[in-house]
Amino acid sequence: LAKTTQPISMDSYEGQEVNITCSHNNIATNDYITWYQQFPSQGPRFIIQGYKTKVTNEVASLFIPADRKSSTLSLPRVSLSDTAVYYCLVGSYSSASKIIFGSGTRLSIRP
Amino acid sequence: DVKVTQSSRYLVKRTGEKVFLECVQDMDHENMFWYRQDPGLGLRLIYFSYDVKMKEKGDIPEGYSVSREKKERFSLILESASTNQTSMYLCASSLSAGPGLADFGPGTRLTVL
Repeated sequence: LAKTTQPISMDSYEGQEVNITCSHNNIATNDYITWYQQFPSQGPRFIIQGYKTKVTNEVASLFIPADRKSSTLSLPRVSLSDTAVYYCLVGSYSSASKIIFGSGTRLSIRP
Repeated sequence: DVKVTQSSRYLVKRTGEKVFLECVQDMDHENMFWYRQDPGLGLRLIYFSYDVKMKEKGDIPEGYSVSREKKERFSLILESASTNQTSMYLCASSLSAGPGLADFGPGTRLTVL
């Protein structure tokens, strides 16, 4: 299983764009990159997933360079409600696959 | 939407008690997982199951066992609860062909006195 490395914490202000980078140097060919969001006292919630280049949905964008050894979650125009812990995971489409979380990035948004 | 439910949001037990945490999902997912989450330690995988009656240890299985007799239900068992098992317990489920596409339950905050 590819190990991921993220910053422990980040701070930003409302209305700013926030970019959280995840390092996964040992990512395998079949691995996808998935990001989760977790609010206090709740289970993690899926945000976005990608394999290469760029993926965008209504919540975020995910940028993956050609070597796929890192990825960047981009949150446009954050608000106070985006304050949460964000987890980056890598894993492949295979049966009996563990889903392992790292320590995550604690994002704090200020007014 | 997948719905993952856990039997209790809050639970208080005494040291030495046998504790059952129940998790049920309603979308016919093959994989189910039990995690515990402690401040500063993130989510740690205790056990997971990829089919009925099949289970594999996660990173921290000591002191826990699991049971999966039906596809929709995955139980976490603390044979003899200890104070160091006070934690938030999160259940999740996913399709077998889903790399990290898991849906989580609301969690059970267990306190062992």
